[in-house]
Amino acid sequence: DARVTQTPRHKVTEMGQEVTMRCQPILGHNTVFWYRQTMMQGLELLAYFRNRAPLDDSGMPKDRFSAEMPDATLATLKIQPSEPRDSAVYFCASGIKQGALTDTQYFGPGTRLTVL
Amino acid sequence: DAKTTQPPSMDCAEGRAANLPCNHSTISGNEYVYWYRQIHSQGPQYIIHGLKNNETNEMASLIITEDRKSSTLILPHATLRDTAVYYCIVRPTRQMDSGSARQLTFGSGTQLTVLP
Repeated sequence: DARVTQTPRHKVTEMGQEVTMRCQPILGHNTVFWYRQTMMQGLELLAYFRNRAPLDDSGMPKDRFSAEMPDATLATLKIQPSEPRDSAVYFCASGIKQGALTDTQYFGPGTRLTVL
Repeated sequence: DAKTTQPPSMDCAEGRAANLPCNHSTISGNEYVYWYRQIHSQGPQYIIHGLKNNETNEMASLIITEDRKSSTLILPHATLRDTAVYYCIVRPTRQMDSGSARQLTFGSGTQLTVLP
């Protein structure tokens, strides 16, 4: 049963520290999404990759957030420096996009981040 | 994207069929009906999607009315593990590669509680 995996599942850190979250998309998927979910804002798209190329990161605070795909099996989301307002659950999702056709997004279990 | 309307909550007895309705009266001909669910403290989980015809997979069945203005998600034999918030969303069959187009937007959904 292919699944998106994310590590760590939980992270507690202090304000100002660097946080790195990792995601392994489903093998063969060519799109990767990073979302953030909070009670107040719901699900927000932070970044979107297709074939490892970042196509849209307009949802990310540029000064502190960065997203990369070093290879097809790993996507990373970094926050440096972290702030208490970054506390949220961060989800990675992957899919297969062919041309302009819509892809189904499959989500990972999420990383619950708490910044003190 | 077309707006969807779902009842805020429903109960279902364990072992019985759970029928979750969704209204999408402004859906256009080139839009899918998608269903996701989110179990507490887990990532959103894709369930099923359809365009015109009824669809069935190992998780559920999707019944779309002939005029496509409403649909019903059917969990044939609900279990306690099916307790979750269920989201009905409408997505275009084709999407540009921009973040705003790729963002999955969940409404309030239906809280399904499966009772023992």
